[in-house]
Amino acid sequence: GAVVSQHPSRVICKSGTSVKIECRSLDFQATTMFWYRQFPKQSLMLMATSNEGSKATYEQGVEKDKFLINHASLTLSTLTVTSAHPEDSSFYICSAPLVGEETQYFGPGTRLLVL
Amino acid sequence: GESVGLHLPTLSVQEGDNSIINCAYSNSASDYFIWYKQESGKGPQFIIDIRSNMDKRQGQRVTVLLNKTVKHLSLQIAATQPGDSAVYFCAGGALQTGANNLFFGTGTRLTVIP
Repeated sequence: GAVVSQHPSRVICKSGTSVKIECRSLDFQATTMFWYRQFPKQSLMLMATSNEGSKATYEQGVEKDKFLINHASLTLSTLTVTSAHPEDSSFYICSAPLVGEETQYFGPGTRLLVL
Repeated sequence: GESVGLHLPTLSVQEGDNSIINCAYSNSASDYFIWYKQESGKGPQFIIDIRSNMDKRQGQRVTVLLNKTVKHLSLQIAATQPGDSAVYFCAGGALQTGANNLFFGTGTRLTVIP
């Protein structure tokens, strides 16, 4: 099956700093990747769709200047949380669809804690 | 828009019993559904999917049933094991948009009692 990795798996940072999270498709190419946010005991909330070679598409209510997305190559998308605050603490998960399939394959997630 | 929700937020079953997790959807245009399993601290894992031209699909120890008339689907896990303890999400979408437009339910936490 398709494998998606994320790095780091967890990060603790001080308020006001920026944090970059990487999402990689290890054995397939992904022109599209998705970034989700998940609060404890809640479902996944789609934040944005990352598109290789073009701008990301953000969901309503998600600040694009706050959550910078760069789809640098066909196997890498990055999410940068800028000027992080404690309320940004969450579990961030990326996913990517495999060409020819309808499902999304998820990364293992990144736990962000902003102090 | 579409909503995909679950009837029960938590479910406890005895080890060895069968588990049934339910999901309802509202958009009749949805024609593709997926069940994911999410263990604590991990990303969701694909379990099984079903298209709307089917009403049943079986995998290893899992069966998904789809009732388009009442817009309901369920995940059945046979002989539930402790390793099945996790949160289960259903997701729905339209095949014509591919994986680009999946809607996720709120999730059901399954706890298996040894």
